[in-house]
Amino acid sequence: RKEVEQDPGPFNVPEGATVAFNCTYSNSASQSFFWYRQDCRKEPKLLMSVYSSGNEDGRFTAQLNRASQYISLLIRDSKLSDSATYLCVTNSGNTPLVFGKGTRLSVIA
Amino acid sequence: NAGVTQTPKFQVLKTGQSMTLQCAQDMNHEYMSWYRQDPGMGLRLIHYSVGAGITDQGEVPNGYNVSRSTTEDFPLRLLSAAPSQTSVYFCASSEMNTEAFFGQGTRLTVV
Repeated sequence: RKEVEQDPGPFNVPEGATVAFNCTYSNSASQSFFWYRQDCRKEPKLLMSVYSSGNEDGRFTAQLNRASQYISLLIRDSKLSDSATYLCVTNSGNTPLVFGKGTRLSVIA
Repeated sequence: NAGVTQTPKFQVLKTGQSMTLQCAQDMNHEYMSWYRQDPGMGLRLIHYSVGAGITDQGEVPNGYNVSRSTTEDFPLRLLSAAPSQTSVYFCASSEMNTEAFFGQGTRLTVV
């Protein structure tokens, strides 16, 4: 079983829509959680960290459910520029980050 | 603001050739990692290091060597290139439990 699992999509949504991605992780010892964004043929870049209490950054909201071992990302008022692949990422202590395969989002005009 | 610098950006190798992908970071991070990314496979960890002189294998280490003689540098060596090593390679650095910063990637084709 893959450590971090995501629906690969693609999610095709119109501009202005709200879209949500979920991700599950198998390692209960995971301590840190992130969402990264990756544009086509580019390196992944941090979108936001995910905290236990949930956190928001503008149109983006991240939630963590430790009991069920899942992480979510909500994007409100989608923009064309949000089109990318979103990677769910976890980390447990003295090991490198573990990446999901990513969820592809296409925002359509 | 250099961050993580990878070279080269593109490379074509013949089967059996060897080469070294360079990675350098200027953030004094202890952790450095090499990933490969293939279509539909996501980022897979090749090797990683938690400090100078310390390296360990990741998910797909076969055919690759690494060393970490300084905090700044973490080169990845392909010993005898094979077509299965055609991929995009990313180097990353971080501190423990914090975000990772990535280099721009190396697109490698083995013919």
